[in-house]
Amino acid sequence: KAGVTQTPRYLIKTRGQQVTLSCSPISGHRSVSWYQQTPGQGLQFLFEYFSETQRNKGNFPGRFSGRQFSNSRSEMNVSTLELGDSALYLCASSLSGQGPPNSPLHFGNGTRLTVT
Amino acid sequence: SQQGEEDPQALSIQEGENATMNCSYKTSINNLQWYRQNSGRGLVHLILIRSNEREKHSGRLRVTLDTSKKSSSLLITASRAADTASYFCATAPSGSARQLTFGSGTQLTVLP
Repeated sequence: KAGVTQTPRYLIKTRGQQVTLSCSPISGHRSVSWYQQTPGQGLQFLFEYFSETQRNKGNFPGRFSGRQFSNSRSEMNVSTLELGDSALYLCASSLSGQGPPNSPLHFGNGTRLTVT
Repeated sequence: SQQGEEDPQALSIQEGENATMNCSYKTSINNLQWYRQNSGRGLVHLILIRSNEREKHSGRLRVTLDTSKKSSSLLITASRAADTASYFCATAPSGSARQLTFGSGTQLTVLP
């Protein structure tokens, strides 16, 4: 099985621009989660989607949004970029259905976003 | 905010030695998971231990969980240079909340 694929791998944007990141989960996985990783804050949960519905959202401003398509592929969008949005954005998929996350997360290699 | 705190933040050992990393958390959990991350790449799942389990083994890995102390430890035996990575614990809360909350990580360096 192919792993989780994230595109693009690297991205450089300017303050005020917007960006869209893409994630293709492992085949058969319907849950997709997004995390932001920075040296200062570590791994922070952004949101989770399951069957095209956002099930959970982290403590991020409304500039961060996402969606999931019927084939479970997911995108996240960040509008009006700020310098502090520079980070590694990680997508993870899992088999987890209802209830607490009791299946491992399978991560992609991330998109490294640099905002200048 | 991060649920877990890991200790130590950094650990440097010689090949063949054992490495122990600790994780403490704050709220009740359904399970606790350990992940490894090589520099600049995604995380790789290592092991999951449920709240009603006390110890679990997988190859050279041994994980313990003490829910009364809200702590877990990861032991890597007979370490290799390839084990050099950051190691994170992640807690899955009991109740309705769904996201995994990650600790701050331990940077392990295994010297050849």
